[in-house]
Amino acid sequence: DQQVKQNSPSLSVQEGRISILNCDYTNSMFDYFLWYKKYPAEGPTFLISISSIKDKNEDGRFTVFLNKSAKHLSLHIVPSQPGDSAVYFCAAQWTGANSKLTFGKGITLSVRP
Amino acid sequence: DAGVIQSPRHEVTEMGQEVTLRCKPISGHNSLFWYRQTMMRGLELLIYFNNNVPIDDSGMPEDRFSAKMPNASFSTLKIQPSEPRDSAVYFCASTGRDSYTDTQYFGPGTRLTVL
Repeated sequence: DQQVKQNSPSLSVQEGRISILNCDYTNSMFDYFLWYKKYPAEGPTFLISISSIKDKNEDGRFTVFLNKSAKHLSLHIVPSQPGDSAVYFCAAQWTGANSKLTFGKGITLSVRP
Repeated sequence: DAGVIQSPRHEVTEMGQEVTLRCKPISGHNSLFWYRQTMMRGLELLIYFNNNVPIDDSGMPEDRFSAKMPNASFSTLKIQPSEPRDSAVYFCASTGRDSYTDTQYFGPGTRLTVL
């Protein structure tokens, strides 16, 4: 039972264009959401997060949007660069003692030069 | 800081053998997490410790898996006996306080292949 779903396994975009990575969740208790980025042979690294009290958080070329009513979030990368090619994991948790992250399966992004 | 350190980076073993994966968290971090990554299931949390105490082991697949954290700077994940379906990349991560919105820092992973 996947509580965090990344339904598209891969995405390919042209350098300079926008990349939009989608994520859906089913547990309404989740109130904090994160994106992690993973290069081959490395561990995931934190990219950006958003609390459920917000609907948008921006950090440079990366913006995360949250639609609580639809239980949907998305990561926008503008402009996309070849170095952004990686696996992107969406994760969610409910904030509280002994909480834990629930990850999606990941999306492989390829940015073509 | 060296980050989270995992060893070995690669492990190839035969079915039925015991496998021990090791993790050294970032100094000063007091929560440690073990994850398994597979194509089918993505990143799954196996177990996590807070102040060396196991808090949630509901993700441990079965009794063949066990984890220990004898002190703040070392943890092991053991599989005995190993099976081909255990083949995956195993990650260790640590965080600074409890898991309440703190960023988890991942190690490079151990790629386990069970033949």
